[in-house]
Amino acid sequence: AQTVTQSQPEMSVQEAETVTLSCTYDTSESDYYLFWYKQPPSRQMILVIRQEAYKQQNATENRFSVNFQKAAKSFSLKISDSQLGDAAMYFCAYQGTYGGATNKLIFGTGTLLAVQP
Amino acid sequence: GAGVSQTPSNKVTEKGKYVELRCDPISGHTALYWYRQSLGQGPEFLIYFQGTGAADDSGLPNDRFFAVRPEGSVSTLKIQRTERGDSAVYLCASSFSAGWYYGYTFGSGTRLTVV
Repeated sequence: AQTVTQSQPEMSVQEAETVTLSCTYDTSESDYYLFWYKQPPSRQMILVIRQEAYKQQNATENRFSVNFQKAAKSFSLKISDSQLGDAAMYFCAYQGTYGGATNKLIFGTGTLLAVQP
Repeated sequence: GAGVSQTPSNKVTEKGKYVELRCDPISGHTALYWYRQSLGQGPEFLIYFQGTGAADDSGLPNDRFFAVRPEGSVSTLKIQRTERGDSAVYLCASSFSAGWYYGYTFGSGTRLTVV
C-alpha cells in the first residue's frame, strides 16, 4: 500500500523569506501524481501545485515550486517570498494510476506553517 | 453552484444517534468523493461515486456508514448509531471525471462532534 510521510508537524518562516516543507512517499508504482494542498482554518482543501511522476521537470506555480526526486521518493514544497496569507496546514498527497478508476488521494499528516510578520 | 457545498457546517449529536451529512457538488461533476479527517490527521478516503453508483466504497470503516447519490448530483453520507470515535471533519470533493487532470474541488467540510 502507498504511504505518504510528512515529518515536520510545524514550521515557521519570516514574512518575505523562503521555507521548504518535506514529504516522502512509498509506492511500487512507476506512474503516479503528487500534490500539495493548503488547508486554511476554513477547512477547504486548496490545490497548491501538482506533479506528474513521469515528468522530470519540477512543477512551478508562481511563488510555489517543488523538488521532485523520484528515486528518493521525495517531494518537497518550496514557498518563496512568504506572505501572511500562506499560513495554513499543508498536506502532501499521492494519487496512483493503477488499482481501478478510483484515483483516490492518499494524504500525509500535514505540516502547520506559521508566517511571522 | 460555484463551489462544493457541504451542510451542515457543524453538527453535534449524541452517541447512538443517526446523522446525515450532505454534499452538493459543482454542477456537471460526475465524480464525487467523501473523505474523513480526524484531528491532527490528513483526510482519509471513504467512498467514491461515478455518477449515481458507488464505484469504490472500500474506505467505509464499517456498516454503520452508508452513502448515496440517487440522481448523480447531491450525495448524502449517513452514519447510524454514532460513536465518539466518529467525531471528525467529513470532506467532500468533486471532479469532472475521476483523475488528477481535471482537478478536484473540495468543500469546507462538516465537523461532526459526537458527545
